[in-house]
Amino acid sequence: AQSVTQPDIHITVSEGASLELRCNYSYGATPYLFWYVQSPGQGLQLLLKYFSGDTLVQGIKGFEAEFKRSQSSFNLRKPSVHWSDAAEYFCAVITGTASKLTFGTGTRLQVTL
Amino acid sequence: GAGVSQSPSNKVTEKGKDVELRCDPISGHTALYWYRQRLGQGLEFLIYFQGNSAPDKSGLPSDRFSAERTGGSVSTLTIQRTQQEDSAVYLCASSSRAGNQPQHFGDGTRLSIL
Repeated sequence: AQSVTQPDIHITVSEGASLELRCNYSYGATPYLFWYVQSPGQGLQLLLKYFSGDTLVQGIKGFEAEFKRSQSSFNLRKPSVHWSDAAEYFCAVITGTASKLTFGTGTRLQVTL
Repeated sequence: GAGVSQSPSNKVTEKGKDVELRCDPISGHTALYWYRQRLGQGLEFLIYFQGNSAPDKSGLPSDRFSAERTGGSVSTLTIQRTQQEDSAVYLCASSSRAGNQPQHFGDGTRLSIL
């Protein structure tokens, strides 16, 4: 069965610093990959998605992610973090004919001023 | 346009009671999903609807959990004889069709079992 790993449970960065959140997936074929963000007490907001084509995808709020098939990774990046980016970030995958999302356990981002 | 709407936003109930959680998907979205988010755990898939039928209900944890969808729109998740381990945030999502389409989430219902 497919799985998603987010190795970092909690990350703290300073405002203005760059950010990279790691995501690895386990699946034989090319999956459909997503990053979602969840602010406290709210649902999940889609940041970006990868289906095929260009392996570097741009999302909302200045985020981007790069799909690397050789490393089974889909890491999320942002060049300069803002205090409002503090939230929990989830990597997720849809594989094959399944429609359900399989989520990683999430990474909580804290931003210091 | 309106997003996915869930009600109630919070529900506190006593162990053993039945609860109903409602989800109103984005208009025109044929696929609807329920997930559960327990404290300290990830998001778990519960059930997926395509129209009014549920091709995948593999995530329902026990027969106390059931869900239905009517008119290809509103869905209700019912938990009977609630247990403390049912305490969680229940999230609903919808997408324009099944498969690889992005799922749009509601703000969830926070369920607390006393």
